[in-house]
Amino acid sequence: GQQVMQIPQYQHVQEGEDFTTYCNSSTTLSNIQWYKQRPGGHPVFLIQLVKSGEVKKQKRLTFQFGEAKKNSSLHITATQTTDVGTYFCAGPGFSSGSARQLTFGSGTQLTVLP
Amino acid sequence: DGGITQSPKYLFRKEGQNVTLSCEQNLNHDAMYWYRQDPGQGLRLIYYSQIVNDFQKGDIAEGYSVSREKKESFPLTVTSAQKNPTAFYLCASSIGLAPSTDTQYFGPGTRLTVL
Repeated sequence: GQQVMQIPQYQHVQEGEDFTTYCNSSTTLSNIQWYKQRPGGHPVFLIQLVKSGEVKKQKRLTFQFGEAKKNSSLHITATQTTDVGTYFCAGPGFSSGSARQLTFGSGTQLTVLP
Repeated sequence: DGGITQSPKYLFRKEGQNVTLSCEQNLNHDAMYWYRQDPGQGLRLIYYSQIVNDFQKGDIAEGYSVSREKKESFPLTVTSAQKNPTAFYLCASSIGLAPSTDTQYFGPGTRLTVL
C-alpha cells in the first residue's frame, strides 16, 4: 500500500545549527501533516499542507510541500534544546481495511547537543 | 478540559493474559484510532472506528480486538494471541469528516510490558 518514507532516521545537531527532515511519497498526496513527539510523550499536530508548492512558517520552523505534491520537508533554523523529539510526517494511505487513512512516516529523531 | 485520556500510563501483565487498554475522549469526535509504536519506529495502525458500533482493521490487527459502544470510548484488548505485545499504545481521535485528511489528536499513551 501507500508508503510515506522519511529521512533521515536520526539527526544529531549542535544547538544553533539548522535541521531538515524530508518526507517522500511515490504517489501524489492530497495533503501532508507534520507531528512532533517529545521523548516519552505523544505525537502533537504541528501543521497541514494541502497546496502544491505551499510554504508555511511557525517561528523557526518552515514547512514545504513539493510542486508535485509527492514530497515535503520540515526545516528548523537555529535549533534549540526544546526542539528535541521525533518529527513525523503523515499522508493519506491505504490500510488493510481498504479505506484511506492517515499513514505515518517512520519519523526523524532529532537530538540537540547543548 | 477537553482531550483524550488513556489509562493506565504503565501496565504490566503476565504472558498469556488478555489486557484491555482504555481510551476516552470528550472532543465529540466521530473517529477514533489505535496505534502501536515500537522503540525508534513510527506509528502502525491497529484498528480504527469512524462511527459508533462500527470499526475496521488496520495494518496490524491480528491479536487485538476493539469495541465502540459509545462515541466517547474505544477500548483496545490485547489478547494472548498477540505474539509480541510489549509496546507503546497510542489512542487518537479526529473529527471524522475525512480520516485521511483530518488532524488527529493523541492521548498520552499506555506503555504495556508483558512479562
